[in-house]
Amino acid sequence: AQKVTQAQTEISVVEKEDVTLDCVYETRDTTYYLFWYKQPPSGELVFLIRRNSFDEQNEISGRYSWNFQKSTSSFNFTITASQVVDSAVYFCALSDSGSARQLTFGSGTQLTVLP
Amino acid sequence: ETGVTQSPTHLIKTRGQQVTLRCSSQSGHNTVSWYQQALGQGPQFIFQYYREEENGRGNFPPRFSGLQFPNYSSELNVNALELDDSALYLCASSLGARGLSYEQYFGPGTRLTVT
Repeated sequence: AQKVTQAQTEISVVEKEDVTLDCVYETRDTTYYLFWYKQPPSGELVFLIRRNSFDEQNEISGRYSWNFQKSTSSFNFTITASQVVDSAVYFCALSDSGSARQLTFGSGTQLTVLP
Repeated sequence: ETGVTQSPTHLIKTRGQQVTLRCSSQSGHNTVSWYQQALGQGPQFIFQYYREEENGRGNFPPRFSGLQFPNYSSELNVNALELDDSALYLCASSLGARGLSYEQYFGPGTRLTVT
């Protein structure tokens, strides 16, 4: 069975601070995919990144960066110089190697960036 | 490029009734997945349709059923509604192919309230 744990339920930071959202996953598959999605108050899940299990290189996209560590089964997400518009619920998800590629989501982290 | 659309936006039903939710996939996508998101939780996989056939199912009872049409749009049907079915129902489309995992793009969701 697959599992994704986001231990941080809520995080509150002041604008321009850096913030890291933690994600720990469990899977028996050797091939799998990890994702981060953002869910603003409107409710629509916005795709941020996909990472496959063969690629442990960290990735940076503007103010966003991701740290994938297979040894600790973690896929953490850092926002640098946070902005009020970053306020949302962030979900980490895991896709299995089955044909359905269903996503198993964590419970989400509510990020509030205060002005 | 048209994104994923869902209808209706909101719906109120009475326990025991039946409901149909609709989803139009993003242009060029042939796979549709449905998720249920209860308040304060991460989305849970209901099922997926690939080229009009069910291609995987989560832990949901048979009263949750679906269809995919030749244009790859999809319906989610729920019979004998229960209070616990109250949730945000999310549709996601992707370009599916055997052996590959593509990122799923989500629609804005349908908020179902069962009274």
